[in-house]
Amino acid sequence: EADIYQTPRYLVIGTGKKITLECSQTMGHDKMYWYQQDPGMELHLIHYSYGVNSTEKGDLSSESTVSRIRTEHFPLTLESARPSHTSQYLCASTEVGYNEQFFGPGTRLTVL
Amino acid sequence: LAKTTQPISMDSYEGQEVNITCSHNNIATNDYITWYQQFPSQGPRFIIQGYKTKVTNEVASLFIPADRKSSTLSLPRVSLSDTAVYYCLVGDINGSARQLTFGSGTQLTVLP
Repeated sequence: EADIYQTPRYLVIGTGKKITLECSQTMGHDKMYWYQQDPGMELHLIHYSYGVNSTEKGDLSSESTVSRIRTEHFPLTLESARPSHTSQYLCASTEVGYNEQFFGPGTRLTVL
Repeated sequence: LAKTTQPISMDSYEGQEVNITCSHNNIATNDYITWYQQFPSQGPRFIIQGYKTKVTNEVASLFIPADRKSSTLSLPRVSLSDTAVYYCLVGDINGSARQLTFGSGTQLTVLP
């Protein structure tokens, strides 16, 4: 069973608020990822990290930012949330040199 | 980037074998083929991964012809709980995370 956690699971906030979505894994994986997925649609890679102090933007442009200060922790921050940010955000991790990504349960964000 | 093409949807009946084919005509030498399953409101879950010929695990088989330009995920004796979206990914396990795009997936509906 994968040990990757995301909090909160659901979040409803007003426009302009700053939020941080938490993601933690206890598997010691170096690679971590953030995906954005609208209902019934594709997953889009928005950020990834190959290890501590390493972060890169994915294919989908995102106004969010990430940090990787500890191996197990990969939070995503929106400085000023907008209704266009309403979506599901999925965090994943994997070992270096192996394709199997372990996904967290996701955070469903609604911005009013 | 190796682009993948899958059927948008498939229907099957309980107890039948289901085969989902993925086309990846420009697969590269170092690319592996990985399949994921996703239920509504959950993150994708790894099913199987292969490089060539046939791979089998406790839940599925993956058939890859010699030219590797396509692959077929085979689910034996499906049940209602196998109703989900199935994604085919192609990418270098040691390459950039940008290579691992999920695409639209195939919505499998298992009918009683």
